[in-house]
Amino acid sequence: EAGVAQSPRYKIIEKRQSVAFWCNPISGHATLYWYQQILGQGPKLLIQFQNNGVVDDSQLPKDRFSAERLKGVDSTLKIQPAKLEDSAVYLCASSLLYTDTQYFGPGTRLTVL
Amino acid sequence: QQQVKQSPQSLIVQKGGISIINCAYENTAFDYFPWYQQFPGKGPALLIAIRPDVSEKKEGRFTISFNKSAKQFSLHIMDSQPGDSATYFCAASTGNQFYFGTGTSLTVIP
Repeated sequence: EAGVAQSPRYKIIEKRQSVAFWCNPISGHATLYWYQQILGQGPKLLIQFQNNGVVDDSQLPKDRFSAERLKGVDSTLKIQPAKLEDSAVYLCASSLLYTDTQYFGPGTRLTVL
Repeated sequence: QQQVKQSPQSLIVQKGGISIINCAYENTAFDYFPWYQQFPGKGPALLIAIRPDVSEKKEGRFTISFNKSAKQFSLHIMDSQPGDSATYFCAASTGNQFYFGTGTSLTVIP
């Protein structure tokens, strides 16, 4: 069974530029999560989708971050404009509907200069 | 505000020894407490998880001890091996809300 796929794996941008990350969850997983993991810290949940609807986005900085999950499968996370403090690994995870076990992708390491 | 407090930040254990990592929480609405293992350059992987209706769960060399009254839970790794060297995260969830601890870097010395 294929795992959670994410791309790109690495991205370096200048501050004030925009960037987008892509996630393809495990087939059949209705729930999708985006996390931000700053170096030396635990992952912080940014947004949770069930199918293509948002369940929770209370910790998503909505002035610069946006996410969508069209057709309830793939998802994109966008940052516009990026700030230095956005440098982090952005992790995508997925799970079956109404289950707690999350499966994480390898993450996208973002460096904002 | 840190929802889940994890200690120690780093841990060095001899091969064959016991590794113990502790976590504490405040929100009594949490009903799911997993532990994740993360290797460099990889995403976290679920190791073992527990719900508050049991006090202990064991899977192979990994055991979670859960103290509901103290609002604490811990991970015990028995017979620690060099391959266990990784960062371990505890987490707590209410379903929609999911919070990770700050992580413990474990090094097992051969």
